[in-house]
Formats: sequence, C-alpha cells, structure tokens
Amino acid sequence: QQPVQSPQAVILREGEDAVINCSSSKALYSVHWYRQKHGEAPVFLMILLKGGEQKGHDKISASFNEKKQQSSLYLTASQLSYSGTYFCGTGNSGGSNYKLTFGKGTLLTVNP
Amino acid sequence: ETGVTQTPRHLVMGMTNKKSLKCEQHLGHNAMYWYKQSAKKPLELMFVYSLEERVENNSVPSRFSPECPNSSHLFLHLHTLQPEDSALYLCASSHEYNSPLHFGNGTRLTVT
Repeated sequence: QQPVQSPQAVILREGEDAVINCSSSKALYSVHWYRQKHGEAPVFLMILLKGGEQKGHDKISASFNEKKQQSSLYLTASQLSYSGTYFCGTGNSGGSNYKLTFGKGTLLTVNP
Repeated sequence: ETGVTQTPRHLVMGMTNKKSLKCEQHLGHNAMYWYKQSAKKPLELMFVYSLEERVENNSVPSRFSPECPNSSHLFLHLHTLQPEDSALYLCASSHEYNSPLHFGNGTRLTVT
C-alpha cells in the first residue's frame, strides 16, 4: 500500500520554511526521500530507518516517528533551488529496496 | 551526470512497433530497477534484477519484457504497446539494502 504524502503542493517565498509529511498504513522500517526537478532524474536526499532517528544536511532534515508510522521532511530557510517534487518511498520490512513503495509526491515551488 | 544513463531520452512509437529502452550504470551496484512514472501517480515498480537475476515482477503486462545481460546493463523491450503505456520510464540502481536509489533521467515514451 502506497504512503500518503501531504500537502500535495506548497508555494513558498525564498527564506520560508516547509514541512512535508509521509504517512503509512503499515509499520515502517525505512523511509527514503527524493527530490525531482522537472525533466530530471529523482535525486536521493536521505534514508531514515526504524528507531525514530532524525537526519539532516544543510537546511533539509527529516524525522521518523515509528508510533505514528510517519516521516516528515523539514526544509528551512528555503532557497530557489529547493523547488521540485518531493517523493517519499517507504519500506515495511527488512530494509530491502525491492519492496519500496512511493507516494504521489509533493510539488514545492519557491518564489523569489 | 547521475551515474545511471538511459537511452533514448524520448521515444514515439506506434502500437505495432517493437523498440527497446537501454539503461547503463557503472556505480558497482548489484541491483537494477525499472519504474514507470505517470502524471499524478506514484512511481510504480515494474521489475527488479539482482546480480542479473529477476527478483521482482509487479504484475507487468507481457508486452514489457526486461533483460539484464550483466550487472551494468538493463533493457526494457517493448512490443504492441497501448496508448495508456505512455509515461516516463525510469531506470535505477542501488545496493540491495537500506541504500539510495540512483535514477537515470528517464525515457519519455509516447505511444500513438
């Protein structure tokens, strides 16, 4: 069963913050986050594993809430380069990449 | 340069044609994937190969036929496609567990 992402779309001004959520109806083992710009390949952002950890680099971070079966992606002080569609992929057992299912994506637009 | 190269970038074919999509990776990964990306739908996993053996086939119609001659190359052979098969076809590679997927730029397929 595919994870549900929210919101479907968000528009920001440069410097504003955003949160994108990814919820699963099943127990989560792993969550992948990717960003895809129009006409380009999806690019890996980070992986979070069961254990409630938080990860981040630069001004993009993510959390993993095992009880809520949810991951959230945090973008702070957004830059124009953050624009794109963000996808989460969830794994429900064992960490195998073969079992990942993806959400429909969240379109993020950052305006000057 | 994503490390995963797909050709062609665009393909228009009639329903009676036979064509092939090609994917190449030199990242040393042991798994390769075909995904279908349609508008407003999540990424759909079609096929997974690990060490040249097919490990996943997600109920894909037989008009799509994958081939993995070695760990660096993956093909998707197409024949008698339907207009609803028009989509972006993405190839990806990775190690098997808890590791990032590296995507190619995709082939934009239009079936007329």
